[in-house]
Amino acid sequence: DAGVIQSPRHEVTEMGQEVTLRCKPISGHDYLFWYRQTMMRGLELLIYFNNNVPIDDSGMPEDRFSAKMPNASFSTLKIQPSEPRDSAVYFCASSLGSTQLEAFFGQGTRLTVV
Amino acid sequence: QKEVEQDPGPLSVPEGAIVSLNCTYSNSAFQYFMWYRQYSRKGPELLMYTYSSGNKEDGRFTAQVDKSSKYISLFIRDSQPSDSATYLCAMGRAGGGADGLTFGKGTHLIIQP
Repeated sequence: DAGVIQSPRHEVTEMGQEVTLRCKPISGHDYLFWYRQTMMRGLELLIYFNNNVPIDDSGMPEDRFSAKMPNASFSTLKIQPSEPRDSAVYFCASSLGSTQLEAFFGQGTRLTVV
Repeated sequence: QKEVEQDPGPLSVPEGAIVSLNCTYSNSAFQYFMWYRQYSRKGPELLMYTYSSGNKEDGRFTAQVDKSSKYISLFIRDSQPSDSATYLCAMGRAGGGADGLTFGKGTHLIIQP
């Protein structure tokens, strides 16, 4: 398996624009997580899905953030409108089971909002 | 006080030295303790995990948990330049579960050849 695949690897956008980040989890994994990593706050869990259903989105910072998982092999994280403070590295991870002990991370999307 | 505290470093040591990385925490409900390694421009990868107190050894790596002091450590013996990375501690509450996992901010480790 190629692992968790995220796209794009880098995204530079202007403030106010819509940004969509994409993730393909490892085949067969039933949990998918979206994280955000910054120097100031470290790694933060934004939202996670179990069997394509959002379970906990309490980490989503604002209504500008939304995530979907239309099927077991694809998820998106959308920011609309984007702001400079959204600049961060966004990671997607997937696991088989809920303990996250064997969660596998993608390589991340580095988002810069100017 | 943050739930998990971790010195960001950087920590620079010569090749072959023993490295000690540490985290403290405040939430006594944490039962699972993990160490992730993150290379530059990569995602975190699980290195070791322990449940409750005690030690766990895997090759050159040893993880220790002292729940009475709310203190966890990762030791790296015979450190190599390839160990240069950021090391993040992570903790989960009883029963595991994604909502119980809290990460430290990571310690940047540099092993000098």
